[in-house]
Amino acid sequence: NAGVTQTPKFQVLKTGQSMTLQCAQDMNHEYMSWYRQDPGMGLRLIHYSVGAGITDQGEVPNGYNVSRSTTEDFPLRLLSAAPSQTSVYFCASSYSGVSNQPQHFGDGTRLSIL
Amino acid sequence: DQQVKQNSPSLSVQEGRISILNCDYTNSMFDYFLWYKKYPAEGPTFLISISSIKDKNEDGRFTVFLNKSAKHLSLHIVPSQPGDSAVYFCAASGAGYFGNEKLTFGTGTRLTIIP
Repeated sequence: NAGVTQTPKFQVLKTGQSMTLQCAQDMNHEYMSWYRQDPGMGLRLIHYSVGAGITDQGEVPNGYNVSRSTTEDFPLRLLSAAPSQTSVYFCASSYSGVSNQPQHFGDGTRLSIL
Repeated sequence: DQQVKQNSPSLSVQEGRISILNCDYTNSMFDYFLWYKKYPAEGPTFLISISSIKDKNEDGRFTVFLNKSAKHLSLHIVPSQPGDSAVYFCAASGAGYFGNEKLTFGTGTRLTIIP
């Protein structure tokens, strides 16, 4: 089982460049989300989606865009990369957004903005 | 404002002994708590959870205790094994509306099991 797949695993960008972090899940999960992990900050929610066509902002949405055209895919877009966006990004999915549904995480994308 | 706090960044425990990881929260609306374990270069994996209507949940070597009055939960691992060496994140949910209950994570505790 593939679970949650994130690509790329590593990326270096220059300030101002744009890129898309890919996330795909094969578990037919309705709920998908993006987190960033920074030293001493834990995981912080960027954007999430409760189903295809529905997205909403999390705790730290500025500088990021998302869309959810299919159940399987939930890409995260950086329109104009900034050094403050250097982080490790994790995509997660769960059957629903209900509390008792543990989220399944991908292995992360390590992003460096120069 | 950190709503979920793990005040110990690191913890070292001898193999075979009990590991106790602590977590405090401030939002009384949280009604479900989860522990995730993370190895380097991997994503977090779900370990164990507890609903606010319980004060204890056990799964093999792992037990989570919840003290709602103190807004405190703890994860006990006994006996500790070398494979338990990882970063442990406490997370809480329930502060949103049904079906949209976002997770709030603590900053993590790095557990090292000494052989």
